[in-house]
Amino acid sequence: SQTIHQWPATLVQPVGSPLSLECTVEGTSNPNLYWYRQAAGRGLQLLFYSVGIGQISSEVPQNLSASRPQDRQFILSSKKLLLSDSGFYLCAWSGGTGGLRQYFGPGTRLTVT
Amino acid sequence: GENVEQHPSTLSVQEGDSAVIKCTYSDSASNYFPWYKQELGKRPQLIIDIRSNVGEKKDQRIAVTLNKTAKHFSLHITETQPEDSAVYFCAAFGNEKLTFGTGTRLTIIP
Repeated sequence: SQTIHQWPATLVQPVGSPLSLECTVEGTSNPNLYWYRQAAGRGLQLLFYSVGIGQISSEVPQNLSASRPQDRQFILSSKKLLLSDSGFYLCAWSGGTGGLRQYFGPGTRLTVT
Repeated sequence: GENVEQHPSTLSVQEGDSAVIKCTYSDSASNYFPWYKQELGKRPQLIIDIRSNVGEKKDQRIAVTLNKTAKHFSLHITETQPEDSAVYFCAAFGNEKLTFGTGTRLTIIP
């Protein structure tokens, strides 16, 4: 069966510091991968999605970037964090036998201080 | 791009009664409509979904209906239970991505 991992689970970072969040998927090949951000008590904002290695589509212009160095690995990065980057970051995958169904990882709760 | 509106934003229902959450979408090319349940501090969980070639789908106490002409779809939960309390999100799929509604906080009153 398929499994999606994210780490770290929680993170507290000062303003201006760099960020790297990692997401990996097991049990499927060539998944579509997504990064979402959820501010406290709010909805899901799509940040990036990828349909293959090295293929990244950005939905929101901001100080974040994404990379997909391997088929089942998706990384979210920032060179300098802003206070507004605080939130719950969720990775999701779709594809294989699941078709269009998207399944979310456990998330990373980021607090920028 | 796609725009999904969701109503109501909050809903309180007596235990055992039914709950209905409604969503509308703007892009007629959208062809897949999932619903997610998110408990406090947890990831969203897919609970039911429907494709554009189907008008209704049911899974035990939950059902989803889709009206393509009117571009709206609804989630129906019958015989509500305390564990149904959560935030529910609808979504529409088009152009390789999901667009989510703003969520409905459902509270089941014992």
